[in-house]
Amino acid sequence: GESVGLHLPTLSVQEGDNSIINCAYSNSASDYFIWYKQESGKGPQFIIDIRSNMDKRQGQRVTVLLNKTVKHLSLQIAATQPGDSAVYFCAENIGNAGNMLTFGGGTRLMVKP
Amino acid sequence: NAGVTQTPKFQVLKTGQSMTLQCAQDMNHEYMSWYRQDPGMGLRLIHYSVGAGITDQGEVPNGYNVSRSTTEDFPLRLLSAAPSQTSVYFCASSYSPTVNTEAFFGQGTRLTVV
Repeated sequence: GESVGLHLPTLSVQEGDNSIINCAYSNSASDYFIWYKQESGKGPQFIIDIRSNMDKRQGQRVTVLLNKTVKHLSLQIAATQPGDSAVYFCAENIGNAGNMLTFGGGTRLMVKP
Repeated sequence: NAGVTQTPKFQVLKTGQSMTLQCAQDMNHEYMSWYRQDPGMGLRLIHYSVGAGITDQGEVPNGYNVSRSTTEDFPLRLLSAAPSQTSVYFCASSYSPTVNTEAFFGQGTRLTVV
């Protein structure tokens, strides 16, 4: 089985509830942030991004909130479904070369039916 | 459209052996990068390339070499494998190195060095 994600913080939610996954980023100069979803045995999959000139962005069932004052990012998933079960990573852009990304440690989301 | 393709999916090496992890993308992306992912950790950048003929080091480059002779391919070479290089390796690409855009990831190569 997939060993990635051992010892990760875990969020367990009931199907249909809303989920909030938090991330603290490190570089106050970062200007672009992405949330990725990683299912077992697969590569990270883009969910939503946000630039530093925004504090909120919404997608389909997902919302990202950015608080630059405290360097905090959150991902809200509405009406969580079993298919949302995965490890979620936030990433920040760290370099002048555009897409050098620094990833957080990840949070495992488990959805109970 | 295949996206980002990595080969092999699994590999076991003996300490000191060399090998090349292949990565190819068919999206005409300029920017390609290699990450490694260890248990309980996020991805860490090994090397990246902003275009054909240009490569640079990321956060953890030691023990790895890369080259970018074409836009499509970005192989990662381990010259003398060590147990510390046991990890899952991901290749990623994006359209432009100068504008923040979504990065597409391959399925990963699980490497074990014994």
